[in-house]
Amino acid sequence: AQKVTQAQTEISVVEKEDVTLDCVYETRDTTYYLFWYKQPPSGELVFLIRRNSFDEQNEISGRYSWNFQKSTSSFNFTITASQVVDSAVYFCALIDNTGTASKLTFGTGTRLQVTL
Amino acid sequence: GAVVSQHPSWVICKSGTSVKIECRSLDFQATTMFWYRQFPKQSLMLMATSNEGSKATYEQGVEKDKFLINHASLTLSTLTVTSAHPEDSSFYICSARDGQGDYNEQFFGPGTRLTVL
Repeated sequence: AQKVTQAQTEISVVEKEDVTLDCVYETRDTTYYLFWYKQPPSGELVFLIRRNSFDEQNEISGRYSWNFQKSTSSFNFTITASQVVDSAVYFCALIDNTGTASKLTFGTGTRLQVTL
Repeated sequence: GAVVSQHPSWVICKSGTSVKIECRSLDFQATTMFWYRQFPKQSLMLMATSNEGSKATYEQGVEKDKFLINHASLTLSTLTVTSAHPEDSSFYICSARDGQGDYNEQFFGPGTRLTVL
């Protein structure tokens, strides 16, 4: 069965610091998708990125970057020059068994607190 | 595009009453919708998967008689919490998959916060 582990429960940084959120996954499938979502205090999930298992290229989007390494089954998320607005809970998630039966499995989330 | 709405955004009810939560896809046809439950400071747990026109598939440990799901149209799924009790207080989130889109993409609603007194 698939599993997503986010070992960091809470992280606290000072604004402008860089921070990396770890995500380790388990799956038996060779085809799968990995996701990151942001959940601000309002509760609404905000989609950040989707990466398929055949694309190991790292991705950068503004202050956000993602490092996908199949060799270590990790999909880590880095925020550069963090800001107070980045404070939220961040979830890593996995879909395997791709197709009509595919379901999302979420990690336990990492709460990021960015202070001035 | 790809907007999912939920109604109500929050609800407070008395113990023993039933509460209905609606999930709508506003600009696409959702052949599949998912219902999640999130307790405070915890992750999202999938409760059930519903396909339009058929019975929902519930995850292990979820009482189907307590959490009634109806996916009667391609744009609407409802979750009814029957005989609600304080332990049912939670944040309920739906998501929808576009029937003509990527199977591996889900669009999430804003969530419904249920408080049972």
